[in-house]
Amino acid sequence: GQQLNQSPQSMFIQEGEDVSMNCTSSSIFNTWLWYKQEPGEGPVLLIALYKAGELTSNGRLTAQFGITRKDSFLNISASIPSDVGIYFCAGQLVGSNYKLTFGKGTLLTVNP
Amino acid sequence: DSGVTQTPKHLITATGQRVTLRCSPRSGDLSVYWYQQSLDQGLQFLIQYYNGEERAKGNILERFSAQQFPDLHSELNLSSLELGDSALYFCASSPRGLRDTGELFFGEGSRLTVL
Repeated sequence: GQQLNQSPQSMFIQEGEDVSMNCTSSSIFNTWLWYKQEPGEGPVLLIALYKAGELTSNGRLTAQFGITRKDSFLNISASIPSDVGIYFCAGQLVGSNYKLTFGKGTLLTVNP
Repeated sequence: DSGVTQTPKHLITATGQRVTLRCSPRSGDLSVYWYQQSLDQGLQFLIQYYNGEERAKGNILERFSAQQFPDLHSELNLSSLELGDSALYFCASSPRGLRDTGELFFGEGSRLTVL
């Protein structure tokens, strides 16, 4: 299936630091979304992006839909311990009949 | 709490067996999706139902089948189980049926272990 390349695979940071992660693809997407999964839970939607160039914030989280429609990034500012989890990018590929493809995730660990 | 309910939470069974996973979507959501999550493959889309009809198919094995009932709950049937079927199985529902936007609400998952 279509691959989303998500990086980094994991991050270990100190509380208070900013975090950046991204997803890239060789194909064009209509929609980019970012989900967070905590242990024992299902993924929860953080931010949804629907237009190329769109920049959207949700509290300390900011995400952008790349101009080329082939990439997206997620930034977390001033990280706190509860930011720990796996962050997934996901996208709806053009012509995919709305199927959602997920990246393999970025495991974030925050050291208090 | 996403409003999506999955049962059972944990299931341990043997190779060759058959299991059924159940999902109740959020109230009012017509679309149900099934995903498989394993360590090496990440979240893999299996199948989607909309208002009782199959709408999209992903990487679902022939040994697996699903259906959505008139009350909109869904079941995922896994048969002739193999060790490699051990994974977390997530159900998700969507508030928009025909014009999905990727905004999915996931349940807590059913962890299947095949011994």
